[in-house]
Amino acid sequence: KVMTQSPATLSASPGERATLSCRASQTVATNLAWYQQKPGQAPRLLIYGASTRATGIPARFSGSGSGTEFTLTISSLQSEDFAVYYCQQYDNWPPRFTFGPGTKVNIK
Amino acid sequence: QVTLKESGPVLVKPTETLTLTCTVSGFSLSNGRMGVSWIRQPPGKALEWLASIFSNDERSFSPSLKSRLTISKDSSKSQVVLTMTNMDPVDSATYYCARIDPIQIYLFFDFWGQGTPVTVSS
Repeated sequence: KVMTQSPATLSASPGERATLSCRASQTVATNLAWYQQKPGQAPRLLIYGASTRATGIPARFSGSGSGTEFTLTISSLQSEDFAVYYCQQYDNWPPRFTFGPGTKVNIK
Repeated sequence: QVTLKESGPVLVKPTETLTLTCTVSGFSLSNGRMGVSWIRQPPGKALEWLASIFSNDERSFSPSLKSRLTISKDSSKSQVVLTMTNMDPVDSATYYCARIDPIQIYLFFDFWGQGTPVTVSS
């Protein structure tokens, strides 16, 4: 399966709402996770099962979707949210994982 | 406290074999549905999953790299080892190991190591 993300880059101001999209070439049901990565750091899990926030993730992050279309929404951007966001799916067992190309959220 | 730490050479020559070790703590590699994966990221590029190994010794590999990869674990040492043969400059990247969440019905990476940079150059 191929994962695509749009936009590649999103420019927004603090306090604005950000909507990031992830699309799968074939259905992945809700087997979809989102990660945040800041420069020089390892990725951090945000969302799994398409819509469940990971432990400690602020409520301004929300995930939705199923099948082939998924969305990560940041309701009100904070300065610490400017980063690259990746979606990830898996299939089969033993599983093969695929990451999307990422969306970079820049300060406008 | 769950931690993962990668170790291995910073520099390898083209055609050489890369061996990376992930040492984990805070969980056992032999319990339940435990799994550890290797993921890499070339400079300025996206994440790429390489391979996974599970507590029952099942393994999975990236189809595009399968012929070059080996993954193994030593539960007594809490280590997962990845080998990649025939290294090329395009394999230069930061290599991460990450734990696959053992509890949820979904498969995702809940804890990551800090990553180890590898450069392939003569």
